[in-house]
Amino acid sequence: KQEVTQIPAALSVPEGENLVLNCSFTDSAIYNLQWFRQDPGKGLTSLLLIQSSQREQTSGRLNASLDKSSGRSTLYIAASQPGDSATYLCAVKYGGATNKLIFGTGTLLAVQP
Amino acid sequence: KAGVTQTPRYLIKTRGQQVTLSCSPISGHRSVSWYQQTPGQGLQFLFEYFSETQRNKGNFPGRFSGRQFSNSRSEMNVSTLELGDSALYLCASANMAGSTEAFFGQGTRLTVV
Repeated sequence: KQEVTQIPAALSVPEGENLVLNCSFTDSAIYNLQWFRQDPGKGLTSLLLIQSSQREQTSGRLNASLDKSSGRSTLYIAASQPGDSATYLCAVKYGGATNKLIFGTGTLLAVQP
Repeated sequence: KAGVTQTPRYLIKTRGQQVTLSCSPISGHRSVSWYQQTPGQGLQFLFEYFSETQRNKGNFPGRFSGRQFSNSRSEMNVSTLELGDSALYLCASANMAGSTEAFFGQGTRLTVV
């Protein structure tokens, strides 16, 4: 069964800290992996998309890495800010003929000012 | 460029009723996927439409159905509503299958009373 897990489930850090969020998937034959953020009661905002052939992607203070062989991805957030507080979700796509995503359980991040 | 638009944003329905939700994808996108988000189950895939054809379906009862029109707009319908159908319903739009990024709407919050 294809499952995606995220740890930790919740994280609270002081402003300015660098932090790492983890995403694990049971089936390593992924097509790509996408990281999203979700603010309470809102939709999902795409942060980064990593293709299966890539090792990492960067956007501003965010860096996502992918290790297919170990079934893991990490999202690194540098110099965290209170505005980064949200739920972070990773989602995996299997196969190129569909846009179906399998989502992780999410990490709720709180950045304290 | 307009994003993914979901209407209505909020709905309150009574058990046994039916409901129709609408999703307008980003202009030019032909793939629309629907997801249900609940606190207990997280984000679960409902179905995907591509060029008016259902391409993939999640593990939901037949009360959940959908369709896509020639302009790529999609609707999902839930008949004989149950209390457990209360959730945030999210729609995702993508250009085509494969290595493309998924973009989400703000969701429709359905409450069944």
